[in-house]
Amino acid sequence: DSGVTQTPKHLITATGQRVTLRCSPRSGDLSVYWYQQSLDQGLQFLIQYYNGEERAKGNILERFSAQQFPDLHSELNLSSLELGDSALYFCASSVRSGGILSSYNEQFFGPGTRLTVL
Amino acid sequence: ELKVEQNPLFLSMQEGKNYTIYCNYSTTSDRLYWYRQDPGKSLESLFVLLSNGAVKQEGRLMASLDTKARLSTLHITAAVHDLSATYFCAVDSLQGAQKLVFGQGTRLTINP
Repeated sequence: DSGVTQTPKHLITATGQRVTLRCSPRSGDLSVYWYQQSLDQGLQFLIQYYNGEERAKGNILERFSAQQFPDLHSELNLSSLELGDSALYFCASSVRSGGILSSYNEQFFGPGTRLTVL
Repeated sequence: ELKVEQNPLFLSMQEGKNYTIYCNYSTTSDRLYWYRQDPGKSLESLFVLLSNGAVKQEGRLMASLDTKARLSTLHITAAVHDLSATYFCAVDSLQGAQKLVFGQGTRLTINP
């Protein structure tokens, strides 16, 4: 158990709908990362938050958004869902802030949310 | 743009044999991570390699890093069935977005 929690574990929805995935980082970790894992795209970085602020963006679609709240939990919002959005969505957390000279960036992954869009 | 490539992508081997998974990356970095993923499960951190020549060992797995060659290896010694999983390497992107860039993963199957 990494200490990172994610809910729900499974989500089945229809095209065009909107869903929210939730993540709670390990105690003391200020950074939260979101990843999408699919068979054709592999493990793709979506977005990072550090202490409530967006720190880095990856291959995140405009239909997707995220935020990190004062208690450090994070939510990933996916809207206008398409069949191709079906994937495993992982949240990870780390202590590191993201500065080049700061400590290494070992990330601890949550159990994931499996999203199925029908 | 940082690219990370693993090979092989699929590996089927017999118990008791030795083998090596290779991870090449395209730009300068001295921070490399290995993760394990069981089917349908999360990623588990295995090793953190932070400098040229770093070597870490845990049980039958040993990881090393050569930053000059931009290469890391994950060596499996006397494989056992429990090591069947997908193994990912990831490199710390030191420029721009502070993120881990993952390789494609190596699906390892160890047969009795």
